[in-house]
Amino acid sequence: QKEVEQNSGPLSVPEGAIASLNCTYSDRGSQSFFWYRQYSGKSPELIMSIYSNGDKEDGRFTAQLNKASQYVSLLIRDSQPSDSATYLCAVNMYGNNRLAFGKGNQVVVIP
Amino acid sequence: GAGVSQSPSNKVTEKGKDVELRCDPISGHTALYWYRQSLGQGLEFLIYFQGNSAPDKSGLPSDRFSAERTGGSVSTLTIQRTQQEDSAVYLCASSLVSGEQYFGPGTRLTVT
Repeated sequence: QKEVEQNSGPLSVPEGAIASLNCTYSDRGSQSFFWYRQYSGKSPELIMSIYSNGDKEDGRFTAQLNKASQYVSLLIRDSQPSDSATYLCAVNMYGNNRLAFGKGNQVVVIP
Repeated sequence: GAGVSQSPSNKVTEKGKDVELRCDPISGHTALYWYRQSLGQGLEFLIYFQGNSAPDKSGLPSDRFSAERTGGSVSTLTIQRTQQEDSAVYLCASSLVSGEQYFGPGTRLTVT
């Protein structure tokens, strides 16, 4: 089993809709979870961090964490063309600071 | 404030040559990380520095890779005898003791 999995293929959403991204992780002891946005040719940009079970909202972004089920998700409300990017799920593994990343999900927002 | 900076932004080198990549972390961040992102691959952890502690080198792919961090700030990643499979974007990130990691713009390395 991979450390962090993002299995969905490219996601196309119409402008104004909700984009939903999911991520699962293997280490039940993981405590810190992050979502990064990466535009083509650019480096990852941190958009959300979540540490406790439940929802965390920041603007149009909501991160959801369920440690019992070992998944974390990201919702993008009122999607905009500027949200078109690859979204990377990252998890602090094994109680240390190194991040394990999923392969990413490409989101395309259609005007 | 200033973010993480990396230099050079692009580096083209011939197979077998040595290269040095530089990272200047966010001021006040004690932790520094190197990752590698290859085309079509995810981000791969390479090495982690925290203060004056011994670095976590568990992600270095071979003994041709080494890194140092001088004065608890600037870091240099060195790749000796480069191979074509070393071609990738090398990303540096920094954070406070334990927290959110912020990435620099990366160095795109091409080995011909």
